[in-house]
Amino acid sequence: GEDVEQSLFLSVREGDSSVINCTYTDSSSTYLYWYKQEPGAGLQLLTYIFSNMDMKQDQRLTVLLNKKDKHLSLRIADTQTGDSAIYFCAEKGNGGATNKLIFGTGTLLAVQP
Amino acid sequence: GAVVSQHPSWVICKSGTSVKIECRSLDFQATTMFWYRQFPKQSLMLMATSNEGSKATYEQGVEKDKFLINHASLTLSTLTVTSAHPEDSSFYICSAREDRSNQPQHFGDGTRLSIL
Repeated sequence: GEDVEQSLFLSVREGDSSVINCTYTDSSSTYLYWYKQEPGAGLQLLTYIFSNMDMKQDQRLTVLLNKKDKHLSLRIADTQTGDSAIYFCAEKGNGGATNKLIFGTGTLLAVQP
Repeated sequence: GAVVSQHPSWVICKSGTSVKIECRSLDFQATTMFWYRQFPKQSLMLMATSNEGSKATYEQGVEKDKFLINHASLTLSTLTVTSAHPEDSSFYICSAREDRSNQPQHFGDGTRLSIL
């Protein structure tokens, strides 16, 4: 079945870059997403990438996709304390009418001042 | 744009009560909405896919008689937890996707349900 894995925890210092990694198993994924969840809140869409792209940059966020290795990463430049949250990657397959999302386990990013 | 409003944000009620949670897409139409459940420190678990004008599609292991879903319009889906018990306590999150299927899902702020 489809599976999405992430490391559980990442700690960085304020001002450094953060890289959050994600691996997935469904080779038919069409879109891959990064969501941010702050404590007690819902998920905020950060960015997404189409499966035929290798890279997408949006201000401080850079998404890299290695489709061959089924590896997705999110780089946050100049990480701030406000970036502390749980980050979920999610992939959308190419099967079925609803194309539901499969979420990773989430990575807790802790930014030290 | 693409704002999803979810109400209430927090519910505390007695065992046996039925609780209704609303999910609204404020500035777009959503043929499809999704209901998730999240346990502490865990990822989101898809419960069901809500389709406007038709029956919801439930994931394996989710009781459709326990979690009633109604999607009566293109901007509103409701989840009713019937005869809630303490084990139903959880964080419930909805999402909505614009009518074009390649659009991303946008999430509500979630509802924390606590059953005493």
